[in-house]
Amino acid sequence: AQKVTQAQTEISVVEKEDVTLDCVYETRDTTYYLFWYKQPPSGELVFLIRRNSFDEQNEISGRYSWNFQKSTSSFNFTITASQVVDSAVYFCALREGNTPLVFGKGTRLSVIA
Amino acid sequence: DAGITQSPRHKVTETGTPVTLRCHQTENHRYMYWYRQDPGHGLRLIHYSYGVKDTDKGEVSDGYSVSRSKTEDFLLTLESATSSQTSVYFCAISESAPEGSAEAFFGQGTRLTVV
Repeated sequence: AQKVTQAQTEISVVEKEDVTLDCVYETRDTTYYLFWYKQPPSGELVFLIRRNSFDEQNEISGRYSWNFQKSTSSFNFTITASQVVDSAVYFCALREGNTPLVFGKGTRLSVIA
Repeated sequence: DAGITQSPRHKVTETGTPVTLRCHQTENHRYMYWYRQDPGHGLRLIHYSYGVKDTDKGEVSDGYSVSRSKTEDFLLTLESATSSQTSVYFCAISESAPEGSAEAFFGQGTRLTVV
């Protein structure tokens, strides 16, 4: 069965600090996709990134970076030089084939000015 | 932005009444989903659809039913609302893509309060 664990319920950092959000997943499939979504205080869910199980290259997009390690079943998300606008709930999700996304419980990030 | 509209956006209803939430898409995507979001639980799947008239249950389907008579509309019905169904409901859509590579796009959410 698919499962996603985000052990950090809430994180609080001071602006400009780096912060890493952890995501650990469980799956029996060899082909799967991992996702991160952002939910800002306004409530909508915003897609951030997708990564397939055969591509372990790290990805960087501006201040955001993602570290995928199959050996530890982790797909961690790092925000460099955090800003107040990064304050949100972040969800990690897993998908096997065309089944629905399975989400972690989310990590609430608060960036304090 | 993906064309997904949820209606209503907010609703207060009484215990025991039926409630229907509507999700409408303009993207012609095959898959549609209903999730609920509750503090401490993240997003949990209620039901989903993989085509017109093709639906399946999710993790928390008890007390809910769905229907999809057209590609663009996916209805979620609470047959007899209970206070435990107070939640924020999200509709999502995704296209069919190899090995599940397609991301899901979400509607704005419906905040339902059962009193």
